[in-house]
Amino acid sequence: GIQVEQSPPDLILQEGANSTLRCNFSDSVNNLQWFHQNPWGQLINLFYIPSGTKQNGRLSATTVATERYSLLYISSSQTTDSGVYFCAGFKAAGNKLTFGGGTRVLVKP
Amino acid sequence: ETGVTQTPRHLVMGMTNKKSLKCEQHLGHNAMYWYKQSAKKPLELMFVYNFKEQTENNSVPSRFSPECPNSSHLFLHLHTLQPEDSALYLCASSQEGKGTQYFGAGTRLSVL
Repeated sequence: GIQVEQSPPDLILQEGANSTLRCNFSDSVNNLQWFHQNPWGQLINLFYIPSGTKQNGRLSATTVATERYSLLYISSSQTTDSGVYFCAGFKAAGNKLTFGGGTRVLVKP
Repeated sequence: ETGVTQTPRHLVMGMTNKKSLKCEQHLGHNAMYWYKQSAKKPLELMFVYNFKEQTENNSVPSRFSPECPNSSHLFLHLHTLQPEDSALYLCASSQEGKGTQYFGAGTRLSVL
């Protein structure tokens, strides 16, 4: 199966700062999702982005499929952005999402 | 609210108990999943059901027994668990082959 690596593993931000999270895949994927897991364990879908760029409020994501990576941008971070951000993907055959290890983000007031 | 509901949210059980986790999705999807999230480990896929048929068993021990009576409901029956089975168990659903998976809030399980 594919391997998914996320960096950095931990990130501490001052409220209002911008940041970039990275996700690398060992092989090409045709499904790529970003999630935010809140402190209570709920995984919230952020983006479905197998390629291209999408924006949703202060969050945006870019996937460069040919180079097997995706980036998640957080702008003007807020304390509510704290939590763990996961990327996950699968190849064309089947629907088995493989998750990265996550980036734990703490936004300080 | 993601459209995927899991109950109970918390469960404490002894190693000799039998319990069940329940998942219900209101999204009209036809694929459902169980994942396990242990401390400091990535989410691990346990089971996949497509159109009520199990299509993936990711080498899960037999003390975990899934059941999918219809496309909207998924159960995970637990018996004679071990303390290392303590984890957050997450259910998800999707339209088969169309990718985006939506997750429930999870059941946090503690095995004593």
